[in-house]
Amino acid sequence: EPEVTQTPSHQVTQMGQEVILRCVPISNHLYFYWYRQILGQKVEFLVSFYNNEISEKSEIFDDQFSVERPDGSNFTLKIRSTKLEDSAMYFCASRLQGHAFFGQGTRLTVV
Amino acid sequence: RKEVEQDPGPFNVPEGATVAFNCTYSNSASQSFFWYRQDCRKEPKLLMSVYSSGNEDGRFTAQLNRASQYISLLIRDSKLSDSATYLCVVKWNRDDKIIFGKGTRLHILP
Repeated sequence: EPEVTQTPSHQVTQMGQEVILRCVPISNHLYFYWYRQILGQKVEFLVSFYNNEISEKSEIFDDQFSVERPDGSNFTLKIRSTKLEDSAMYFCASRLQGHAFFGQGTRLTVV
Repeated sequence: RKEVEQDPGPFNVPEGATVAFNCTYSNSASQSFFWYRQDCRKEPKLLMSVYSSGNEDGRFTAQLNRASQYISLLIRDSKLSDSATYLCVVKWNRDDKIIFGKGTRLHILP
């Protein structure tokens, strides 16, 4: 069964550093998403991406965040200057139509 | 504002029992509805979509009441492996946001 893959599975970074989280969505999917889940809390929408541009974003997705689909297969989330409160699980998702399929997540720890 | 509210958990239920979860959503614009399951420290996985007429998949039954903006999930003959967090998910059709409820934690007791 096709799946969404994310790398790395765990990333530790120092506060203030830039991180890039990588995702390979399912190949024929058209809509792409990033979510985050702080430990013990809800899955929060960050951003959606369609037709090579951001279609929706939440209040969390401020100027420190950016997304790219550089080569037609990868979908990346960049956090420019990480804060302690960015520590969370970050999930990538994709869909063609109907429901979204999620990757296994990247656990980001900011120290 | 688009929000999804769920029953608070945890639900502690003996094996074999029937359990029901409820979910309400704001904003009556046209939407699609889903129940996802999330195991501890894992990604959300689709359990079932929710259709207007209600639908069943084995031991699981989903219902939708658009007038009351309410979705439910019923699990019959619960198994130990049903222990997980159940997430109510709504996609608003006019935009591309898919919003999750906080989830209801279910513990099936042997």
